[in-house]
Amino acid sequence: AQSVAQPEDQVNVAEGNPLTVKCTYSVSGNPYLFWYVQYPNRGLQFLLKYITGDNLVKGSYGFEAEFNKSQTSFHLKKPSALVSDSALYFCAVRDIGGSQGNLIFGKGTKLSVKP
Amino acid sequence: NAGVTQTPKFRVLKTGQSMTLLCAQDMNHEYMYWYRQDPGMGLRLIHYSVGEGTTAKGEVPDGYNVSRLKKQNFLLGLESAAPSQTSVYFCASSYSNRVGDEQYFGPGTRLTVT
Repeated sequence: AQSVAQPEDQVNVAEGNPLTVKCTYSVSGNPYLFWYVQYPNRGLQFLLKYITGDNLVKGSYGFEAEFNKSQTSFHLKKPSALVSDSALYFCAVRDIGGSQGNLIFGKGTKLSVKP
Repeated sequence: NAGVTQTPKFRVLKTGQSMTLLCAQDMNHEYMYWYRQDPGMGLRLIHYSVGEGTTAKGEVPDGYNVSRLKKQNFLLGLESAAPSQTSVYFCASSYSNRVGDEQYFGPGTRLTVT
């Protein structure tokens, strides 16, 4: 069965520093991976996805993610964090072969960016 | 273009009461989903629909029922609410379940069952 893991419950970063939010996946077949962000008291917003092609995927708000097949990882990155990036981040994988191809979400990582 | 909307935004129920959460989307999406979000557990799929008139069970369907009588609406019902159903409920929609299709989420409904 497909699954994703977000090993860190919380990531703390100083404003202006680079940030990384980690995600690892387990799939049978090709992985189709997504990142979503949830700001306080809001719904989830799509950030970026990896389907095929370049291992470095660029998304909204200056975020990018690096797909690494050998390490089965899809880490979210940003070169310079902003206080406004503070939010809850979810990694998700497409459940190919089961449940109509629905998304399976990780437990989420809370990102806190301090001034 | 409102996207995905949810009604109500907040609700407090007593154990045993019933209620219906309404989700509406104006993007002509075929697929719709209901999730619940609990601290430390991420999003878990309750029920979903692959088109008007269809519904299917997700990961945690017990205690919930759904209906999709119109393409743009997806209703989530709690027949007899329990404290374990205290959660934040999100509706989402997508055009299809093709590998690259992302889901669009509503703002959520915060439900408390006392």
